[in-house]
Amino acid sequence: GAVVSQHPSWVICKSGTSVKIECRSLDFQATTMFWYRQFPKQSLMLMATSNEGSKATYEQGVEKDKFLINHASLTLSTLTVTSAHPEDSSFYICSARGGTGSNQPQHFGDGTRLSIL
Amino acid sequence: SQQGEEDPQALSIQEGENATMNCSYKTSINNLQWYRQNSGRGLVHLILIRSNEREKHSGRLRVTLDTSKKSSSLLITASRAADTASYFCATGLGGAQKLVFGQGTRLTINP
Repeated sequence: GAVVSQHPSWVICKSGTSVKIECRSLDFQATTMFWYRQFPKQSLMLMATSNEGSKATYEQGVEKDKFLINHASLTLSTLTVTSAHPEDSSFYICSARGGTGSNQPQHFGDGTRLSIL
Repeated sequence: SQQGEEDPQALSIQEGENATMNCSYKTSINNLQWYRQNSGRGLVHLILIRSNEREKHSGRLRVTLDTSKKSSSLLITASRAADTASYFCATGLGGAQKLVFGQGTRLTINP
């Protein structure tokens, strides 16, 4: 149980393109979803927290107009990297948490490797 | 900003040996969680230990938590080649239950 699917797994596109990444919880309802960014051999940096039906909460330094997050249902959140540039190239990972208890683990997708040429 | 620091940053041992990784954090927490990440993949949840717990076991994994020292350790017993991965501790903070990750330990199990 607790499977999170992230799609696509790998994207290569030209500078200026907008890229949408989907994160789906397959067998549970995700009240909260999280988006992370990870550079090679480094840890995960939280970008934003999204709750179904409400606006995402972005971490300090993350441009909300650059990284658009939509959490339209209890099983789907999307991250759109708008007008992507080479510096946006990174590994993006989503996670989902079901329930509202304070001790619920997060379940992670397999990540999306984004390469901007 | 990063909450946790992990020690060591890299660890290489022989198959069958035990591996111990340590994690320190700075602020009060609700829980501390350990995750594994295989190269180029997402994270797999291993164990969650609550702030009022001191030790927890799951198969070959043993996690301890010392809130007075703000530290935790992950012990993997009888290591296997398949345990080769990066291991991250993460502290659960606040009502939103954000996770703040440590820098991770890269574990290599040599056959």
